Amino acid sequence: DAKTTQPPSMDCAEGRAANLPCNHSTISGNEYVYWYRQIHSQGPQYIIHGLKNNETNEMASLIITEDRKSSTLILPHATLRDTAVYYCIVRVAISSGSARQLTFGSGTQLTVLP
Amino acid sequence: GAGVSQTPSNKVTEKGKYVELRCDPISGHTALYWYRQSLGQGPEFLIYFQGTGAADDSGLPNDRFFAVRPEGSVSTLKIQRTERGDSAVYLCASSLYAVGGGTEAFFGQGTRLTVV
Repeated sequence: DAKTTQPPSMDCAEGRAANLPCNHSTISGNEYVYWYRQIHSQGPQYIIHGLKNNETNEMASLIITEDRKSSTLILPHATLRDTAVYYCIVRVAISSGSARQLTFGSGTQLTVLP
Repeated sequence: GAGVSQTPSNKVTEKGKYVELRCDPISGHTALYWYRQSLGQGPEFLIYFQGTGAADDSGLPNDRFFAVRPEGSVSTLKIQRTERGDSAVYLCASSLYAVGGGTEAFFGQGTRLTVV
């Protein structure tokens, strides 16, 4: 699976949008971009994933650049409970011969400030 | 249950002992994953099951680690002759499928293993 690069930490004011960037310049055409987050002492929580198009759900929006080499996770109105480590992961989606596990990097520690 | 359940939540064992960690995936999920997470690190892949078979066990660190999923549902991670370096949080996740749609994995709360 392609490698991802994320800033180690970010701060965001409560109520403002949090924009978390991720670079995945070596992403292949059959790889999805997944975002997970891990709140302290809990298991990782799935947020959203996408292949080419932008995606939105009740938790967040995922913006993928046209060349797919980077993406941004947007939390539209961050709350204190959004403080967590956010992981951007690229993962093969349709190749039968490739590994299918999620490969976690170090992620971005997002701290939402009151 | 509604989510992935892992038992026990905490396990303290003596060096050299054998331990079993259990994972109950979400009902109907065909794929099951085990990860290990050390303090300050991201989760590290151990093994992945598709149904009853281990489709990828490349992450198991050595032959002291073994996992089974005999009926394609509950899985047990087994660690023989535990060492202090095995101390970590062991996470289990399941997903409906391994490829295509429905591949988002849902994680349990983990089992914190401490080897003393």
